[in-house]
Amino acid sequence: GDSVTQMEGPVTLSEEAFLTINCTYTATGYPSLFWYVQYPGEGLQLLLKATKADDKGSNKGFEATYRKETTSFHLEKGSVQVSDSAVYFCALSDNYGGSQGNLIFGKGTKLSVKP
Amino acid sequence: DGGITQSPKYLFRKEGQNVTLSCEQNLNHDAMYWYRQDPGQGLRLIYYSQIVNDFQKGDIAEGYSVSREKKESFPLTVTSAQKNPTAFYLCASSIKAGTSGTDTQYFGPGTRLTVL
Repeated sequence: GDSVTQMEGPVTLSEEAFLTINCTYTATGYPSLFWYVQYPGEGLQLLLKATKADDKGSNKGFEATYRKETTSFHLEKGSVQVSDSAVYFCALSDNYGGSQGNLIFGKGTKLSVKP
Repeated sequence: DGGITQSPKYLFRKEGQNVTLSCEQNLNHDAMYWYRQDPGQGLRLIYYSQIVNDFQKGDIAEGYSVSREKKESFPLTVTSAQKNPTAFYLCASSIKAGTSGTDTQYFGPGTRLTVL
């Protein structure tokens, strides 16, 4: 079945460091790919998404490119801030078959940014 | 403001009691979802509904029940049959299910359920 694998955390960085959180996926069809962010005690917020191969999603300085050849959707940010501290979830929505539209999530990566 | 509301934010229940978690959306979305979040396990799908008066079981439906009588509302009942109900419950909605570009899910703030 479909699955998402993301790097385990926690990830601890100093402010202004470069961030990469790896995400790879397995899917039957042609999924849409998402990154969500969760701040402590809150629900998930959509950070960015890409719906087809080679699309780049971007928001708030974060970027991720849909790489079909490597089945990856790695999250990057050039210079993190303390306010970026949160848990980041990679997810896919497979538009194939009976479970179309359902999200499959990775386990989440906790990011802590120190001043 | 359009959005998804969940109530209450914190809920305490005695063992053996049923409890219902509320989820309301005013986004005019067709599809709604319930997830359970446990530490270190990501989110797991409990139930989903793609249209009013219809819903399907997700990966961990045992011990839960739902209804979808109105487009805006998708309440989740945690029954006494759920063996380990203490968790963070998240509701989400999307414009439509299964169509690229309309499948983005938007989440509510969550309800933390604790069984005493």
